[in-house]
Amino acid sequence: DAGVTQSPTHLIKTRGQHVTLRCSPISGHKSVSWYQQVLGQGPQFIFQYYEKEERGRGNFPDRFSARQFPNYSSELNVNALLLGDSALYLCASSRTDGAGYGYTFGSGTRLTVV
Amino acid sequence: KQEVTQIPAALSVPEGENLVLNCSFTDSAIYNLQWFRQDPGKGLTSLLLIQSSQREQTSGRLNASLDKSSGRSTLYIAASQPGDSATYLCAVRGNYGSGNTGKLIFGQGTTLQVKP
Repeated sequence: DAGVTQSPTHLIKTRGQHVTLRCSPISGHKSVSWYQQVLGQGPQFIFQYYEKEERGRGNFPDRFSARQFPNYSSELNVNALLLGDSALYLCASSRTDGAGYGYTFGSGTRLTVV
Repeated sequence: KQEVTQIPAALSVPEGENLVLNCSFTDSAIYNLQWFRQDPGKGLTSLLLIQSSQREQTSGRLNASLDKSSGRSTLYIAASQPGDSATYLCAVRGNYGSGNTGKLIFGQGTTLQVKP
């Protein structure tokens, strides 16, 4: 079975640009969550979507937005990129909202803002 | 507000040694706790998931315990190998109704080096 798939794996953007990151959950998983991990820190929660509805939002500015599609894949959008947005962005999927089964993470997208 | 702490931040041991990684959390109202492994520049690999009603979980050379009342979890690695070198992260999921939704709150991780 395919795991959680994220694309692209790496990208470099210029300050002020916009970026879209994509995530495909494990087949049968209905929840997708996004996390930001800066070097040397633990991941920080950005969003959770379950059954295509937003279930939670972390302490991130409105420049960050996300959505979940009917096939349960998800996009994370970041507008007006700042140098501080450089990080590893991780997507996690779960059968439910993570209550009984835990989360499976993808390999991440490494975003560098220059 | 839930806070998760992992001590030590880094650990270096000789191959073959048994070791314990620690994780503490401030709010005992958790639904479950999950241990992950992260290799440099890579994503997270789930190691063990412990539900709040459980005391421990085992997988191969790994054993994780949970003491919810004291806000502690440990990850025990038996007979460590150089391939175990990685960063180990623990994460807690809050209970329903605690305002935490389904998010995971992570510790900063313990970076383990196992020397041949």
